[in-house]
Amino acid sequence: GAVVSQHPSWVICKSGTSVKIECRSLDFQATTMFWYRQFPKQSLMLMATSNEGSKATYEQGVEKDKFLINHASLTLSTLTVTSAHPEDSSFYICSARRETGMGYGYTFGSGTRLTVV
Amino acid sequence: GNSVTQMEGPVTLSEEAFLTINCTYTATGYPSLFWYVQYPGEGLQLLLKATKADDKGSNKGFEATYRKETTSFHLEKGSVQVSDSAVYFCALSETDSWGKFQFGAGTQVVVTP
Repeated sequence: GAVVSQHPSWVICKSGTSVKIECRSLDFQATTMFWYRQFPKQSLMLMATSNEGSKATYEQGVEKDKFLINHASLTLSTLTVTSAHPEDSSFYICSARRETGMGYGYTFGSGTRLTVV
Repeated sequence: GNSVTQMEGPVTLSEEAFLTINCTYTATGYPSLFWYVQYPGEGLQLLLKATKADDKGSNKGFEATYRKETTSFHLEKGSVQVSDSAVYFCALSETDSWGKFQFGAGTQVVVTP
């Protein structure tokens, strides 16, 4: 079945550093990737949508200069949290859209737990 | 705006017990409704879905019915197994923003032998 590999599964970084999270579709082409984050006891919230080869579209309230999204190929999208601060500590998860015989399906990565100290 | 509210966990059950996870939603249009499940160390997986009112989604013994009058999509399973231990997410997606999901906070279910 369709698999999205997301790495790392957890990361601890120092305040002010940058962290890159990768999502790779292993057996299909993902023309569109969605990035979500979840703060403790809150819902998964959509951060941005990226289409291969074009700039990402960010949801209201998400800083595009802080959360850099690159979707340079049909199998890889990355989210870089730049100059991370403790308030960026969260659970980040990607979702890749794939074409099925009857429309679209969505495959999620396993998520990344980011802790900024 | 759209929102999804589901019951807080963790929900702890004994094997073969009946499981219900409540989910209600608010939406401006006519969304499709979903239940996703996340097993430890894995990504979210689609469990079931319903695309219009009164539709019933079912999979692996789980069921949920799209109730427009009560704006609900409660998940049920008649007899849970230890392997059902996971986090369950209720979600909606408006047809005009296909692919963008509005999720609930997730409910952790723990099934003990």
